[in-house]
Amino acid sequence: QKEVEQNSGPLSVPEGAIASLNCTYSDQGSQSFFWYRQYSGKSPELIMFIYSNGDKEDGRFTAQLNKASQYVSLLIRDSQPSDSATYLCAVNPSTYTDKLIFGTGTRLQVFP
Amino acid sequence: EAEVAQSPRYKITEKSQAVAFWCDPISGHATLYWYRQILGQGPELLVQFQDESVVDDSQLPKDRFSAERLKGVDSTLKIQPAELGDSAMYLCASSEPAMIVSGANVLTFGAGSRLTVL
Repeated sequence: QKEVEQNSGPLSVPEGAIASLNCTYSDQGSQSFFWYRQYSGKSPELIMFIYSNGDKEDGRFTAQLNKASQYVSLLIRDSQPSDSATYLCAVNPSTYTDKLIFGTGTRLQVFP
Repeated sequence: EAEVAQSPRYKITEKSQAVAFWCDPISGHATLYWYRQILGQGPELLVQFQDESVVDDSQLPKDRFSAERLKGVDSTLKIQPAELGDSAMYLCASSEPAMIVSGANVLTFGAGSRLTVL
């Protein structure tokens, strides 16, 4: 079982819709959770992070964390074609390390 | 805005040749990471430095890869000899000390160095 799992997609949504991206992780001791966006041929850029159960909102983005279910998600409201990219879920597995373990990413396509 | 600098951006080499990548982290960031991202996959940690010391190199193929951060600032990742399977994006990232309030250690990535081995 991979440590961080994501559906590779592509996830296709129409412009203006809500895109829902999901991620599960295997290590129950995981501390903090990150969403990065990566455009084709570019490096990952941080969207947001979350470390407490519940929802965290930042503009059109909402991260949701459920530690009991070992599940983290990213919602993108009012999706725009410019949101078309690969979204990487990353997990910090413990307080003893700063490293991040990444999933394979979900490719999002927003069509006009 | 502060950036992580990497060079070269692109490198094409033949197998069995040596190749080196350079990274200059954001000023003041003590932790530096080298990740490898194969096309279609997520980044995989190769090595992590805290200042000049290696913290984690468990996934670094030490028979051909080496990394150093001699003065605790910039870093070099070397591959010798390169193999076809080394074709990937090599990403350098740095982070500031963990934010006590948030508890999250945020990594900032450089633009990456794309390696093609022929």
